Amino acid sequence: EVQLVESGGALVQPGGSLRLSCAASGFTFDDYAMHWVRQVPGKGLEWVSGVSWDLSGKEYGASVKGRFSISRDNAKNSLFLQMSSLRPEDTALYYCAKAVARYSYDPRGALDHWGQGILVSVSS
Amino acid sequence: SYVLTQPPSVSVAPGQTAQITCGGNNIGDKSVHWYQQKPGQAPVLVVYDDSDRPSGIPERFSGSNSGLTATLTISRVEAGDEADYFCQVWDSTKDQYVFGTGTGVTVL
Repeated sequence: EVQLVESGGALVQPGGSLRLSCAASGFTFDDYAMHWVRQVPGKGLEWVSGVSWDLSGKEYGASVKGRFSISRDNAKNSLFLQMSSLRPEDTALYYCAKAVARYSYDPRGALDHWGQGILVSVSS
Repeated sequence: SYVLTQPPSVSVAPGQTAQITCGGNNIGDKSVHWYQQKPGQAPVLVVYDDSDRPSGIPERFSGSNSGLTATLTISRVEAGDEADYFCQVWDSTKDQYVFGTGTGVTVL
């Protein structure tokens, strides 16, 4: 059974930094691209970032580009999101998601498994 | 940036058919994925690559995509289908995924 468990969420002040982690199990982690998607409670989904199986591709949404950095450790079946220069509008539930494709920029890379999400709050 | 437009809500009686549209510029040239999200739960993939279903998703869920509109069709709607539905595509001009605005399906 595929499992994705996010951790690292917290209340942080504007301008601060935070690192999210996602522990994966139940599948061959280094065969697939992985993504982060966020959602303000009661609102829609916003794609944040994706990384290819071999880290050859890393893509970011316009609202986080230059502030967030995605990475993965295939030896530890883990996905990470380093967030810096955080803003109140970054407040959201952050989901880790597995793609069906190997490359994060694959248009056919639907997200077939999702974690339960972790809350990030940015406020003074 | 690429915009995907969905109706905010769709209402349907049990046993009837619900159609959820996702509009975008030349969306027919893209692969469209659909997700179902029930309150307090993570999204679930229900249709990928326009019209394919993941294992475990009922045949009642189907998709199509042509021209300016992609459509998710739910046949023989059940109370358990009540949820928010989001479409998604890859915007190759910006190298980013885009989600639709979301449609809330209410089963009357």
